[in-house]
Amino acid sequence: KNEVEQSPQNLTAQEGEFITINCSYSVGISALHWLQQHPGGGIVSLFMLSSGKKKHGRLIATINIQEKHSSLHITASHPRDSAVYICAAFRNQFYFGTGTSLTVIP
Amino acid sequence: GAGVSQSPSNKVTEKGKDVELRCDPISGHTALYWYRQSLGQGLEFLIYFQGNSAPDKSGLPSDRFSAERTGGSVSTLTIQRTQQEDSAVYLCASSLGGGLEPYEQYFGPGTRLTVT
Repeated sequence: KNEVEQSPQNLTAQEGEFITINCSYSVGISALHWLQQHPGGGIVSLFMLSSGKKKHGRLIATINIQEKHSSLHITASHPRDSAVYICAAFRNQFYFGTGTSLTVIP
Repeated sequence: GAGVSQSPSNKVTEKGKDVELRCDPISGHTALYWYRQSLGQGLEFLIYFQGNSAPDKSGLPSDRFSAERTGGSVSTLTIQRTQQEDSAVYLCASSLGGGLEPYEQYFGPGTRLTVT
């Protein structure tokens, strides 16, 4: 059993759509990270959360500690948002989700 | 400023040889992390350093893998007697803090290791 589960595994959206990626974890954590991996392989940290909600541009991340669940939302999606989005829960070490591959079609 | 750098960017080695991968974190970052990503697979945590010490080495896949960090800066990941299953992209990240403290991580470009 994976400590971190992400859904969906794959997601195709039309440009402009609102997108939600979900992450559930089974371990108690001190922080949860959302990462973006571009097709070329480079990884960027989008958010680091320990509670509540964070917003950066068109990206919003929320976490519910009691329910052990986090969501990443993308508003007004754009083809450049196409990437793999990875959820990572941290408790002494990182536990990674398998990633959500997002394709935004113009 | 300069980001996290890794060298070499690509390494091809023969099975059984030792390899050393290097990571230069962002200056002032006390925490340093090593990950690997096998082809088509997700990220796998290997080890992290807080300063020069590694509180958690449980992610290292076997005793052929070792890592050190000196001077609280540069880190090397060494793989002895490489096997074909070691082929992967090895990624390094650093952050201002680490361990139980939540800090944003900055990733290097990775080293692509191919064991033939």
